[in-house]
Amino acid sequence: GESVGLHLPTLSVQEGDNSIINCAYSNSASDYFIWYKQESGKGPQFIIDIRSNMDKRQGQRVTVLLNKTVKHLSLQIAATQPGDSAVYFCAEGKNDYKLSFGAGTTVTVRA
Amino acid sequence: SQTIHQWPATLVQPVGSPLSLECTVEGTSNPNLYWYRQAAGRGLQLLFYSVGIGQISSEVPQNLSASRPQDRQFILSSKKLLLSDSGFYLCAWSARGTTRDTDTQYFGPGTRLTVL
Repeated sequence: GESVGLHLPTLSVQEGDNSIINCAYSNSASDYFIWYKQESGKGPQFIIDIRSNMDKRQGQRVTVLLNKTVKHLSLQIAATQPGDSAVYFCAEGKNDYKLSFGAGTTVTVRA
Repeated sequence: SQTIHQWPATLVQPVGSPLSLECTVEGTSNPNLYWYRQAAGRGLQLLFYSVGIGQISSEVPQNLSASRPQDRQFILSSKKLLLSDSGFYLCAWSARGTTRDTDTQYFGPGTRLTVL
């Protein structure tokens, strides 16, 4: 079946460097995408979202890129900080009340 | 501002015992409500969602049930817990839209359930 997945389960990044987390999706009907951050023992926290009529959206230190041609979504974190260490999930939606989540990428920031 | 509460935060239950997890949302009306389960090191599995009082949609056949007795209250229940019911249970809400309903879901703090 169609699903949302992530390219890499883990990512180690040096503090101060930029991080790039990737996500591949296969449902061409999806028109809404979200990135969540989940710290250990807590619920996922909304980071940023993007609709399919856009290919880039920026927030505070974060940028989401959407490439509909290859069904690829990425999250870029600028100047990664220790507090950015967490599991990051991408999710997709297609106007049916529901979101489908990927398995997550664990980001570890090295001091 | 909107807030979402879940309780209890942690729960240890014996196999065969009943379960009741509660979720409440404040600061919004007529939200869409969701129950997810997250196994250790895994993604989120949607269990139930509700678009209104008494309206429950089940996503996967299982040992659990959900109810929505009030607009901003969502309850997850089981009559007899199984070992496989262990996990991290998350409640979420999203705003009811005018032109579309799929929108950002906001999650509660979760309940860690261990069935022994």
